[in-house]
Amino acid sequence: GENVEQHPSTLSVQEGDSAVIKCTYSDSASNYFPWYKQELGKGPQLIIDIRSNVGEKKDQRIAVTLNKTAKHFSLHITETQPEDSAVYFCAASKSGGGGADGLTFGKGTHLIIQP
Amino acid sequence: KAGVTQTPRYLIKTRGQQVTLSCSPISGHRSVSWYQQTPGQGLQFLFEYFSETQRNKGNFPGRFSGRQFSNSRSEMNVSTLELGDSALYLCASSLVGTGSYGYTFGSGTRLTVV
Repeated sequence: GENVEQHPSTLSVQEGDSAVIKCTYSDSASNYFPWYKQELGKGPQLIIDIRSNVGEKKDQRIAVTLNKTAKHFSLHITETQPEDSAVYFCAASKSGGGGADGLTFGKGTHLIIQP
Repeated sequence: KAGVTQTPRYLIKTRGQQVTLSCSPISGHRSVSWYQQTPGQGLQFLFEYFSETQRNKGNFPGRFSGRQFSNSRSEMNVSTLELGDSALYLCASSLVGTGSYGYTFGSGTRLTVV
């Protein structure tokens, strides 16, 4: 089955700096790659996603890039703010996110924004 | 609009007992998935229901089961609880078939088995 590796497990950056989290996946049939943010006591919240027919997607301070050949995708957060502190998860799916095969998640990255 | 609602938020059970967790998806969402989250294993897919049918199941023992009702609400059941079943159980709903994708998660049910 699919295997998703996520690095680093912990990332500490100064407020205002950029943060980059990287994931690799094993199944070339995967076609949907979402990123989730989880705050303490809450469920994961979708922050951005990308499909395999797109190489990059941006939403304000957040961007995701996908390299299908290398089977890796990355989350980029610019101008980090204290409210960006959370655990971030990458995931992969073969069903376009429509539900049938579920999401395979990475182990998560604890992002700490230092004031 | 209302998000995904999971009840109860917290639950403490004894080994050997069984437990039922409930999930109400976002109105109009017909796909409901369940995930188990633990510090060691992370987020793992349990099963997915669509129109009252289980379409896929993760790698969990048969003690874990679920069902979906005609109004898309879903329940999951864990029988003969073990200490290792202590986890945050998350439900996610998805809009299927209209070109709109992505899961919306609830806040989860924290199950502690003692």
